[in-house]
Amino acid sequence: KAGVTQTPRYLIKTRGQQVTLSCSPISGHRSVSWYQQTPGQGLQFLFEYFSETQRNKGNFPGRFSGRQFSNSRSEMNVSTLELGDSALYLCASSLGQTSYTFGSGTRLTVV
Amino acid sequence: KNEVEQSPQNLTAQEGEFITINCSYSVGISALHWLQQHPGGGIVSLFMLSSGKKKHGRLIATINIQEKHSSLHITASHPRDSAVYICAPHPGRGGADGLTFGKGTHLIIQP
Repeated sequence: KAGVTQTPRYLIKTRGQQVTLSCSPISGHRSVSWYQQTPGQGLQFLFEYFSETQRNKGNFPGRFSGRQFSNSRSEMNVSTLELGDSALYLCASSLGQTSYTFGSGTRLTVV
Repeated sequence: KNEVEQSPQNLTAQEGEFITINCSYSVGISALHWLQQHPGGGIVSLFMLSSGKKKHGRLIATINIQEKHSSLHITASHPRDSAVYICAPHPGRGGADGLTFGKGTHLIIQP
């Protein structure tokens, strides 16, 4: 079965711009969660969606937002990009609390 | 907030050695995941456990919920086991909160 698909794989943006990242979960998985990974902070939880509802949100500013569509695909948006937003953004899908399947990530570079 | 401590941070060993990575956390959890990340960013979920012990091939994961501690063991280590290993406790409250993460253990297995 197809895995978790994240697009794009790489992205370069300028400070002040906004960006939208996409995540298509494994078919049948209704839970999608997003994570940011940086060398300094490691992996950090951004938010989790289940059946189009945000179930939980990590400790990130309001510039970070997300949504989930009826087909379970999810997008996250970062507005007014800052240099510190450069990171690997990972999404994962799961069936409830069962094992998570991660996508390959989107590597965002803000210049 | 769940504080997650992993040790060691870095580990270099010879092929064939028995490897142990430890993870301690501070709050009650519903489950704990062990993740493997290879260079390039891809993350694979190795185990999800909420009690006792699980084994998959040469990998063994154990958890002691009362002591808030989990270990990942690799028997007969091989250079292809070289990766970053991350423990990720899933806080309680029915799993409504997102994953938290250790900083990871950078493992290098030399031939």
